Amino acid sequence: AQSVTQPDIHITVSEGASLELRCNYSYGATPYLFWYVQSPGQGLQLLLKYFSGDTLVQGIKGFEAEFKRSQSSFNLRKPSVHWSDAAEYFCAVGNTNAGKSTFGDGTTLTVKP
Amino acid sequence: KAGVTQTPRYLIKTRGQQVTLSCSPISGHRSVSWYQQTPGQGLQFLFEYFSETQRNKGNFPGRFSGRQFSNSRSEMNVSTLELGDSALYLCASSLAGTPHEQYFGPGTRLTVT
Repeated sequence: AQSVTQPDIHITVSEGASLELRCNYSYGATPYLFWYVQSPGQGLQLLLKYFSGDTLVQGIKGFEAEFKRSQSSFNLRKPSVHWSDAAEYFCAVGNTNAGKSTFGDGTTLTVKP
Repeated sequence: KAGVTQTPRYLIKTRGQQVTLSCSPISGHRSVSWYQQTPGQGLQFLFEYFSETQRNKGNFPGRFSGRQFSNSRSEMNVSTLELGDSALYLCASSLAGTPHEQYFGPGTRLTVT
């Protein structure tokens, strides 16, 4: 069965500082990996995705993520955080056999001025 | 293109009643998935419809059902509502179907009293 672990429930960073959100997945084959962001009272917005190829993927809003098969990780990074980045971030893994995506529990990001 | 729309945005129902939620996917998308989001359980997959057929189903009781119409619009129904059904219900559409990238609507906030 596929699963996703986001070890950090809550992260606080200062505006302008760098950010890394961790995501570990469990799945036997090459997974489909996603990061989504959710602002309060809103649906989820896709930030980026990895299906195959280059293991460093670029997304919207200046985010990037790196797929590391050996570590079963897909960490999300941003070099300089803006106050508007405060939100909840979800990592998700999917595969064609299961036909669905499984989401992590999310990491809430707080940005200090 | 217009995004995923969900109606209604907010609902208050009483225990024992039933409720129907509606989702209109992005034009051209044939897959619609439904998720339940609660603070305690996070994002949980309910079911996916693709070309009017239920293709995948999560671990929810039979009180939760859905359907998809020929124009890809989807409805989900919850019968005999329980207090624990209070949640944000998210609909997501996808061009190729899960586990490919999904585009989420703003959700329907259901409160059961």
